[in-house]
Amino acid sequence: GENVEQHPSTLSVQEGDSAVIKCTYSDSASNYFPWYKQELGKRPQLIIDIRSNVGEKKDQRIAVTLNKTAKHFSLHITETQPEDSAVYFCAASSNTGKLIFGQGTTLQVKP
Amino acid sequence: KAGVTQTPRYLIKTRGQQVTLSCSPISGHRSVSWYQQTPGQGLQFLFEYFSETQRNKGNFPGRFSGRQFSNSRSEMNVSTLELGDSALYLCASSLEGAHTGELFFGEGSRLTVL
Repeated sequence: GENVEQHPSTLSVQEGDSAVIKCTYSDSASNYFPWYKQELGKRPQLIIDIRSNVGEKKDQRIAVTLNKTAKHFSLHITETQPEDSAVYFCAASSNTGKLIFGQGTTLQVKP
Repeated sequence: KAGVTQTPRYLIKTRGQQVTLSCSPISGHRSVSWYQQTPGQGLQFLFEYFSETQRNKGNFPGRFSGRQFSNSRSEMNVSTLELGDSALYLCASSLEGAHTGELFFGEGSRLTVL
């Protein structure tokens, strides 16, 4: 079936530390993997995405890695700042044309 | 250009009633997807419409339905409301589809069922 598992559900780090969120997907045909950030009371917004033809993508302090063989992908945030505190959702496309989201990770960055 | 607009933003209904939510996508976007967001459950996919046709449907009962008009605006309807339908309903528009590129979300319609 189409499923995306996301871990951990909550993550607390000190300002300046790194944060890593991991997701696994079940559909081997998945080829598009976006990450969305949802600040409290706000709408989700895309922060980075990766397609199956690349293994890693970086954008300033955030990076995403993809392991197609193991069917998992991860979000890495370096030098975390209080404004990084939010709920992060991973997602994976399915061969039926859907975008399946993970359950979300609440990241708290302590000053 | 204007973002995705959802109306109403908040509404309270009682069990058994029905509700209609509206979503106006970004101009030029042909795909509109709907998601149900509840604490701990993430974003549950309801359905996606593309050029007035339902392209995909999630695992929700038939009480949940939707449609898309020729101007790409979309509506979703929930009939015979249950307490468990209380949630934030988000719509998102995209150029070609949720599975291919960036989704632009609206602020959501928060439904409370009493």
